[in-house]
Amino acid sequence: DAGVIQSPRHEVTEMGQEVTLRCKPISGHNSLFWYRQTMMRGLELLIYFNNNVPIDDSGMPEDRFSAKMPNASFSTLKIQPSEPRDSAVYFCASSFPGRGYTFGSGTRLTVV
Amino acid sequence: DAKTTQPPSMDCAEGRAANLPCNHSTISGNEYVYWYRQIHSQGPQYIIHGLKNNETNEMASLIITEDRKSSTLILPHATLRDTAVYYCIVSPTDSSYKLIFGSGTRLLVRP
Repeated sequence: DAGVIQSPRHEVTEMGQEVTLRCKPISGHNSLFWYRQTMMRGLELLIYFNNNVPIDDSGMPEDRFSAKMPNASFSTLKIQPSEPRDSAVYFCASSFPGRGYTFGSGTRLTVV
Repeated sequence: DAKTTQPPSMDCAEGRAANLPCNHSTISGNEYVYWYRQIHSQGPQYIIHGLKNNETNEMASLIITEDRKSSTLILPHATLRDTAVYYCIVSPTDSSYKLIFGSGTRLLVRP
């Protein structure tokens, strides 16, 4: 079991550019979550999917953020256009009902 | 969502038990208590969860009070690698539940 796989591990981009973060959940897990972590705000839930359907996106900060889950084995989080305040570590996690979450190693995003 | 209260920081000596408390006085009858930890720069790691009975696994023990308003995570023999931020979270465990992380307890294990 390779766990939850996120790519890229690090991303440095210029303000105004589009950024796409990717996540491959654990096979068989039916829920997927995107979190953002900063020193100031801690771990924030952005959006989560159940059976590939977005259930709650109330944590998505602005329309610049969008997330998709086209199938059970892949999800993306896109920021367009990116801003310096989007700099953070973005985590993806997956789970099965009644089980704990498994988190990926995260993507460290720096917007300059 | 139910809220939890944890001390911001604790420390213990290597080899001793680490007892991390958590208050969740507004917990609902269907909500479980989850514990996660985050070692520096890594993703959070699931430790244990329980509803009303005490639970134990290879990582830790979870003691939940009879009224369910508080719990304690016990690391029986802390090692330096247990230095991390520990999060106590309450949430229903169904197919659409979500975990809301608070600020946690920063545990420092001293040599």
